[in-house]
Amino acid sequence: EDKVVQSPLSLVVHEGDTVTLNCSYEVTNFRSLLWYKQEKKAPTFLFMLTSSGIEKKSGRLSSILDKKELSSILNITATQTGDSAIYLCAVLSYNTDKLIFGTGTRLQVFP
Amino acid sequence: DAGITQSPRHKVTETGTPVTLRCHQTENHRYMYWYRQDPGHGLRLIHYSYGVKDTDKGEVSDGYSVSRSKTEDFLLTLESATSSQTSVYFCAAAPGQGGEKLFFGSGTQLSVL
Repeated sequence: EDKVVQSPLSLVVHEGDTVTLNCSYEVTNFRSLLWYKQEKKAPTFLFMLTSSGIEKKSGRLSSILDKKELSSILNITATQTGDSAIYLCAVLSYNTDKLIFGTGTRLQVFP
Repeated sequence: DAGITQSPRHKVTETGTPVTLRCHQTENHRYMYWYRQDPGHGLRLIHYSYGVKDTDKGEVSDGYSVSRSKTEDFLLTLESATSSQTSVYFCAAAPGQGGEKLFFGSGTQLSVL
């Protein structure tokens, strides 16, 4: 059964700190790994990582896929209060049409 | 939100009553999904559709059914609501199999008393 595990479940930091969120997966015939940010309501897309694109960066956020370790990290540098959200990791397999999500990491950034 | 509307936004119902949640999209996306979100569980897939009248089960499909008679509409029905189905329900749509073009609705908060 396909599985996605995120850690930590919750993280509290101060503005300016750097954080690293982890995602590990077990999936048959891996296709892609995605990161989403969920603030108050609907999740919004951050990054998609595949075997041909294992590193992505956007401003203070960056993500790397480790195909050997079957995992990914999401880094946020110089955190701001606006980064407070739930960060969701999901994986997609070539075998199915289903996007399987992890439990999420709740990040709280205090001034 | 790429034109995805969920209705109702909030609903309170009693155990044993049928409930239908509606998802409407304006982008003509082929794939549509229903997820539920609960503390400690993240987003769990209930059912999904890969075309009109083509649906399949997700990981938590028991007690739920879906229908897709038109590209733009995807209905989720709880035949006889139970308290364990109290949750936030999200609809999502994508032109392909999820990925970077997966767009979510704003969610429906359902409380079953």
